[in-house]
Amino acid sequence: KAGVTQTPRYLIKTRGQQVTLSCSPISGHRSVSWYQQTPGQGLQFLFEYFSETQRNKGNFPGRFSGRQFSNSRSEMNVSTLELGDSALYLCASSQKGTDTQYFGPGTRLTVL
Amino acid sequence: QQQVKQSPQSLIVQKGGISIINCAYENTAFDYFPWYQQFPGKGPALLIAIRPDVSEKKEGRFTISFNKSAKQFSLHIMDSQPGDSATYFCAARSARQLTFGSGTQLTVLP
Repeated sequence: KAGVTQTPRYLIKTRGQQVTLSCSPISGHRSVSWYQQTPGQGLQFLFEYFSETQRNKGNFPGRFSGRQFSNSRSEMNVSTLELGDSALYLCASSQKGTDTQYFGPGTRLTVL
Repeated sequence: QQQVKQSPQSLIVQKGGISIINCAYENTAFDYFPWYQQFPGKGPALLIAIRPDVSEKKEGRFTISFNKSAKQFSLHIMDSQPGDSATYFCAARSARQLTFGSGTQLTVLP
């Protein structure tokens, strides 16, 4: 099976812009979670989607949003970008009823 | 209460030695404790995981020791190899949400 794929891998934006990141889970996985990784804050949970519904949300401002499509692919959007949003954004997928989350390679977002 | 505290921040071990990384938590609602390995430019990859009803789990050179009463768990890497050089994260799950430790950068010297 192919692993979790994320596009794009690298992205450079300027303050105030918005960005959309995409995640394709492993085939058959219906749960998708998003994490932000920064040197200062480490790995932090953003949100989790299952069957197109957000089931869980971390402590991030409303500028961070996401959605999941019927084929389980997920997107996350960050509006009004700030310098502090520069990070590696990771997507992880898992099968219903299992513990393991499989991570993608991430999207490296740089905000100038 | 959602924090997972990980130590040490960095660790240097000689080839063939034992690497030990420790984590502690407060939230008793955590029900699953995985360890992830991350190489530069890659996403975290699951190494080994344990549930709180088990005190130890071993997979190859990797062992998790779990102390429920002390709310601590640790990763032991036996016969450490240069290829093990990476960043290691402990994590704990509650309500399908993973809370990660701050990471340990392991360097195994040849």
